[in-house]
Amino acid sequence: AQKITQTQPGMFVQEKEAVTLDCTYDTSDPSYGLFWYKQPSSGEMIFLIYQGSYDQQNATEGRYSLNFQKARKSANLVISASQLGDSAMYFCAMREGPRDDKIIFGKGTRLHILP
Amino acid sequence: DTGVSQDPRHKITKRGQNVTFRCDPISEHNRLYWYRQTLGQGPEFLTYFQNEAQLEKSRLLSDRFSAERPKGSFSTLEIQRTEQGDSAMYLCASSLSLLYNEQFFGPGTRLTVL
Repeated sequence: AQKITQTQPGMFVQEKEAVTLDCTYDTSDPSYGLFWYKQPSSGEMIFLIYQGSYDQQNATEGRYSLNFQKARKSANLVISASQLGDSAMYFCAMREGPRDDKIIFGKGTRLHILP
Repeated sequence: DTGVSQDPRHKITKRGQNVTFRCDPISEHNRLYWYRQTLGQGPEFLTYFQNEAQLEKSRLLSDRFSAERPKGSFSTLEIQRTEQGDSAMYLCASSLSLLYNEQFFGPGTRLTVL
């Protein structure tokens, strides 16, 4: 079974609109961390936002917010007021357990922002 | 900007040749990770180091792959007897804190095996 599932292979959004990228995860460990990374065409992975499993509030970083629904094992990324520069691949990822260092990535969603 | 750097950025080689990639992490980071990313997929974990110790290796890392971090600073990833299936982007990342584990990625080395 996949640990991280991103069901939207591609999305087209009009500039300045908000966009939600879906992510569900699977783990039995009570301690875990969830990440979103952006990968533009240049190839570099850019860290966007982090949510710990014990965090009480949803994480926010500027125009990025993480809609964390623990019972549903969902960690959707919300980008407000989208910009042309937001066009990229977006990966949801998870770190399992307090001692596991590796990050498991989903297959990604390609976001296209239309002018 | 002293982010994670990788060298070379691109490598084209013939099947059967050996290749070596280098990663220089952010200077104060003690953890260093290698990932492989094939077209249309997310990065897959290969191995990671804490200082000079290699603490975990993925089953994806066959005997033809070896990674080192001899002085706990830069790391090298060597692939021996390359195969066409090794063609991928090889990403290096580094981090400082286990609990948060925000990993900072380098630009990657794109390997093409002909």
